[in-house]
Amino acid sequence: QVQLQESGPGLVKPSETLSLTCTVSGGSISSYSWTWIRQSAGKGLEWIGRIYPSGSTNYSPSLRNRVTMSIDTSKNQFSLSLTSVTAADTAVYYCARVREGVRGLTSYFDYWGQGTLVTVSS
Amino acid sequence: QSALTQPPSASGSPGQSVTISCTGTNSDVGLYNYVSWYQQHPGKAPKLMIYEVTRRPSGVPDRFSATKSGNTASLTVSGLQAEDEGHYFCSSYAGRNSFLFGGGTKLTVL
Repeated sequence: QVQLQESGPGLVKPSETLSLTCTVSGGSISSYSWTWIRQSAGKGLEWIGRIYPSGSTNYSPSLRNRVTMSIDTSKNQFSLSLTSVTAADTAVYYCARVREGVRGLTSYFDYWGQGTLVTVSS
Repeated sequence: QSALTQPPSASGSPGQSVTISCTGTNSDVGLYNYVSWYQQHPGKAPKLMIYEVTRRPSGVPDRFSATKSGNTASLTVSGLQAEDEGHYFCSSYAGRNSFLFGGGTKLTVL
């Protein structure tokens, strides 16, 4: 059974960088691509981006200028970095596994981490 | 890109059926058969309920079904049960390697 676990600071100061890691167990990280999704309090889900085992990435247009994702296949981990954070970036951040459709297009997310709350505040 | 549009709330009595809509555009829901639905209970991670418009993952009851017509996808929950109460989110591939979610619908079992 695949399991994902997010980790990282729960509190980040405004203008600083949010950094999270997702550790995958129960399967190889090299066999799939992976994603980050966030959810602000009482609001909907927002897709942040996708990372392939090769390290290639796709990012949400709205966050592209501030987001970087990386992957460490030797540790079965992938990471999220979001720069210049503001209060609007306060959210529960989820990592999840991507399932692909034809031509590798993102189809759906079948395994999710439990989520980690990141608060942006001084 | 704008989020997909869902009604904020829906409700039904036990045993009844309820349908939740998800409206996008001809660049996302209307163009791709990569619509999925997720159920979320308070404080929990979303759970995949439907993928590729109509397909149910193993373990999801057949009371959950879904369709798509044009730019609108729909999730139907038949034979409502108390445990079906929660939030439901639709999602869709949106082209150019991007992905969209709906704003979510709170389903209440009366």
